[in-house]
Amino acid sequence: SAVISQKPSRDICQRGTSLTIQCQVDSQVTMMFWYRQQPGQSLTLIATANQGSEATYESGFVIDKFPISRPNLTFSTLTVSNMSPEDSSIYLCSVGLRRDEKLFFGSGTQLSVL
Amino acid sequence: GQQVMQIPQYQHVQEGEDFTTYCNSSTTLSNIQWYKQRPGGHPVFLIQLVKSGEVKKQKRLTFQFGEAKKNSSLHITATQTTDVGTYFCAGHLRNRDDKIIFGKGTRLHILP
Repeated sequence: SAVISQKPSRDICQRGTSLTIQCQVDSQVTMMFWYRQQPGQSLTLIATANQGSEATYESGFVIDKFPISRPNLTFSTLTVSNMSPEDSSIYLCSVGLRRDEKLFFGSGTQLSVL
Repeated sequence: GQQVMQIPQYQHVQEGEDFTTYCNSSTTLSNIQWYKQRPGGHPVFLIQLVKSGEVKKQKRLTFQFGEAKKNSSLHITATQTTDVGTYFCAGHLRNRDDKIIFGKGTRLHILP
């Protein structure tokens, strides 16, 4: 299994600012993903965080808005840039130990943008 | 694009009644996973189905994967209050770089 530490757990931010969310895993993992979840809604994949290279973004998400870093196999960050109220959501880090296997989720970051 | 559709969106059942949620994909899946998310919590993995026609059981939960590997179901027998939460199916798409697409989820509410 994998234990994921995601920080911060919640934040309230002003419009136009940026927030960086950290995801630390207790073991090396192959796959790392970032999801967004609106209250009561499903999980939408933002991007796959690739170790040592640029993240792979899903349709509707761009690097300028959601820059992602993954310097090694245990750590990744997601930045929500130039925030607006529409960015208010829960952001979840997710990891897979191996391809084709289950995902483990962090506890999420609840972001509110005023 | 590829989608994973899940119904119903909500389900209210009396405690002790059965519950089923259904998942359909527009494309063939490599595998399908099921997750449960308790209110205020994060998704937790329940099971993965890989083979065509596969059926797996976990106590009161029965999971099925269709013959064409495009649909799946989760059935809970004799629901309990601890079953409350949202159940998500998640399809692992073939030839799509390990991307996992989540259905919209079924929120289960148990009436005492």
